[in-house]
Amino acid sequence: GAGVSQSPRYKVAKRGQDVALRCDPISGHVSLFWYQQALGQGPEFLTYFQNEAQLDKSGLPSDRFFAERPEGSVSTLKIQRTQQEDSAVYLCASSKKDRDLIAPQHFGDGTRLSIL
Amino acid sequence: DAKTTQPNSMESNEEEPVHLPCNHSTISGTDYIHWYRQLPSQGPEYVIHGLTSNVNNRMASLAIAEDRKSSTLILHRATLRDAAVYYCILRGSNYGGSQGNLIFGKGTKLSVKP
Repeated sequence: GAGVSQSPRYKVAKRGQDVALRCDPISGHVSLFWYQQALGQGPEFLTYFQNEAQLDKSGLPSDRFFAERPEGSVSTLKIQRTQQEDSAVYLCASSKKDRDLIAPQHFGDGTRLSIL
Repeated sequence: DAKTTQPNSMESNEEEPVHLPCNHSTISGTDYIHWYRQLPSQGPEYVIHGLTSNVNNRMASLAIAEDRKSSTLILHRATLRDAAVYYCILRGSNYGGSQGNLIFGKGTKLSVKP
C-alpha cells in the first residue's frame, strides 16, 4: 500500500528564498507530524495536526516557519526567507487517531533542504 | 530530553544475533517502550513496542527487564539490510505533549559486517 510521500526529495535554495515542502500522508490517518533532522542527530518535533487543525506548533524554530493542512490530508511546510541554519532533512509522519498516544508513526523519506 | 540512554554504536556480523540495549531508569508505569530504526537516506521506521511483557514480531523481539528500567531489542539474524540507527523511545502521556510526538535521542548506529 501507499506510504507517506514527500516532495521534493531534494531542494536547493539560495539564502533568503522561500521554500515549500509537501507531505502526502497515508489515507485516513488523522494525525500528521513534521520533524526536522540535522546531520548526525535524531529528528526533532516541529508541529502537529489533527485533521486540519494545527494543535501544536511549539517546535517551529521561528516565525519564518509555517505549516498548513487545509483539508485534513496533504500538508505543506513553508519556510520564508531561508537561512543557512535551515539546512536539514524535513520529515513528515502520519498515524491513526491514538487516544493512548502509542500508535506507530509512519514516516516519509524526507526532503533534504540545502540553503546556499 | 529523550529520557533513554543507548550506546552510540555497535557492530555485528551478518547472520548473527544482535542485542541492542536501552536504559530508561525514569520510566513510569504507563510509559510504553518503542523502537524505531532509520536506514541511510530514509525516514524512521517503526520496529516494535511493549509495556511490560516481552514482545515478538516479524522484525525483532523486545525483551523488557522486570523493573522496566531497561530493555533490549533483539535481531535474531542480522542482515546487511539491518544496518541502521536504532532509536529507543518512551511514549505515553508523559512524553510528546498531548499528541504523542516522538522524542528521539541519538540512537545506536548498528554496523553489520558480511
